Amino acid sequence: AQTVTQSQPEMSVQEAETVTLSCTYDTSESDYYLFWYKQPPSRQMILVIRQEAYKQQNATENRFSVNFQKAAKSFSLKISDSQLGDAAMYFCAYRGSARQLTFGSGTQLTVLP
Amino acid sequence: DSGVTQTPKHLITATGQRVTLRCSPRSGDLSVYWYQQSLDQGLQFLIQYYNGEERAKGNILERFSAQQFPDLHSELNLSSLELGDSALYFCASSVIGQGNGYTFGSGTRLTVV
Repeated sequence: AQTVTQSQPEMSVQEAETVTLSCTYDTSESDYYLFWYKQPPSRQMILVIRQEAYKQQNATENRFSVNFQKAAKSFSLKISDSQLGDAAMYFCAYRGSARQLTFGSGTQLTVLP
Repeated sequence: DSGVTQTPKHLITATGQRVTLRCSPRSGDLSVYWYQQSLDQGLQFLIQYYNGEERAKGNILERFSAQQFPDLHSELNLSSLELGDSALYFCASSVIGQGNGYTFGSGTRLTVV
């Protein structure tokens, strides 16, 4: 079974600075997708960014980018120019042949003014 | 509005009771997933339906059941409720395709007293 590990329960960043959230996963599959979801205090789950495993190019969505290291099974999220609205719980997730998403335990990000 | 509708938003009930949570997927999405989010367990996959058929089961208790109707809405039935069933229950939908992330509803907050 696939597992997703987020080793940082909490992180903080100064407004306008850059922060990187870590995620590692374990799988024997070669074809899969990885996602980062954001859960603000409203509890809504919001898709931030996704990465196809067969693509070497790292995905980017505005201020959000990933560092995907397939051999190391690492998938970190970088948030540039952090804003107060970025404060949330961030979940890393894996989707392989089983189709359902497997989530990590989450990283609570605090943005300091 | 994500397009995935969950009702009710909040539910308070007593131990031993039975409740039904309802989910309407985003228009065009045939797959529906149910997840449970509790404080100490993170996001746990419960069950998946695709076009009315059960596709996958996760850590779903025998006291819980679900179904997807011809109009594609889904219901999650929780019976003989225990205090430990208190959690946020999410429904998510997706189009077919491994690379597509889920669209989540806003969740149902269940409190068992």
